[in-house]
Amino acid sequence: QKEVEQNSGPLSVPEGAIASLNCTYSDRVSQSFFWYRQYSGKSPELIMSIYSNGDKEDGRFTAQLNKASQYVSLLIRDSQPSDSATYLCAVNDYKLSFGAGTTVTVRA
Amino acid sequence: DAMVIQNPRYQVTQFGKPVTLSCSQTLNHNVMYWYQQKSSQAPKLLFHYYDKDFNNEADTPDNFQSRRPNTSFCFLDIRSPGLGDAAMYLCATSERGDNEQFFGPGTRLTVL
Repeated sequence: QKEVEQNSGPLSVPEGAIASLNCTYSDRVSQSFFWYRQYSGKSPELIMSIYSNGDKEDGRFTAQLNKASQYVSLLIRDSQPSDSATYLCAVNDYKLSFGAGTTVTVRA
Repeated sequence: DAMVIQNPRYQVTQFGKPVTLSCSQTLNHNVMYWYQQKSSQAPKLLFHYYDKDFNNEADTPDNFQSRRPNTSFCFLDIRSPGLGDAAMYLCATSERGDNEQFFGPGTRLTVL
């Protein structure tokens, strides 16, 4: 049974700060890792995918993957109020296993 | 734009009255998924199709069925909805199954 654990929230950060989200997973053979953003009442939206060790940057978002430590993280730089949402870490081995999500609130 | 479409967006049904939710995609992806998501919980996979091959999760109730008549469409049938089936139902697609999944907007099901 795959397990995906996310740091417990909620996480509150001031506007302009960095929000740091962490995720660990149990299945060593997992190869695909994703971060989804979900606004209240909406469906999950893919914001980052990462397959190789290291960092991947896309605009204000940076995903970091360390397969040896079974750890994946998401940094949101220059946080904006529109970043307030629940962020879901997901690990894929032909089926997505989701973490419970971390709710982020960006204070204006 | 290529996308995943779900209809209806909101569905109200009565206890025990069958309901069908639909999903269509213009992405031409091989894999289609149905998830159930309840408030403050992560999405829970119900089943998926890899092309025409149906894969049921072990803990998906028998009350839930699915059909995929062609590549573009997939349906979720709930034969006798109970109050506990009220949830957001999410359809997702993936090109190969081991890469990104893209979600539709969801159908919010209310059971009275």
